[in-house]
Amino acid sequence: DTEVTQTPKHLVMGMTNKKSLKCEQHMGHRAMYWYKQKAKKPPELMFVYSYEKLSINESVPSRFSPECPNSSLLNLHLHALQPEDSALYLCASSQDPGVSLYNYGYTFGSGTRLTVV
Amino acid sequence: TQLLEQSPQFLSIQEGENLTVYCNSSSVFSSLQWYRQEPGEGPVLLVTVVTGGEVKKLKRLTFQFGDARKDSSLHITAAQPGDTGLYLCAGVEGGAQKLVFGQGTRLTINP
Repeated sequence: DTEVTQTPKHLVMGMTNKKSLKCEQHMGHRAMYWYKQKAKKPPELMFVYSYEKLSINESVPSRFSPECPNSSLLNLHLHALQPEDSALYLCASSQDPGVSLYNYGYTFGSGTRLTVV
Repeated sequence: TQLLEQSPQFLSIQEGENLTVYCNSSSVFSSLQWYRQEPGEGPVLLVTVVTGGEVKKLKRLTFQFGDARKDSSLHITAAQPGDTGLYLCAGVEGGAQKLVFGQGTRLTINP
């Protein structure tokens, strides 16, 4: 299995809703990432998990709450989002956050297209 | 934060033409990677270059890493409509825990 699977593929939520995005990989990768991508822009890093521990939070608002229950699973919990949070949310993984990242890069999922209304 | 600048940002050419996309920085990167992204999908890794002066070929795509490891280029020979997409360069930053992406080059190949 060489894939990163993200669900759901599309999500529409109201500003008072609570929802979660899910990301799963079975490649044995020990680093997982959440990126946000607005239209016609490059991906912007949100969070890095290294060996199931949060290692980087790029000053993301608390309405986004990441969780890594185990080495294969990464969640992003959403609460009280704003319309400007509408974007493509990408999950990625790498073998580890160290030398492997240099050589092998990321494997990205297909993303969740989020619309906040 | 190390910045990566890509040029051109947009490129539209006819099938069969050649093109080059550039990725430049004032900083040294341990490695540079090129990704291609199609609409509604995540980026897909094309290549990683790690040694200054390195050249890698992937069919009609040729990737080069600058001698000083501050810049990279992607050259496509005889472009085809299937090459259409967003091309992103990315460098390793911050103790090798994350990638920094360039702004991307949106390439359109017209039949």
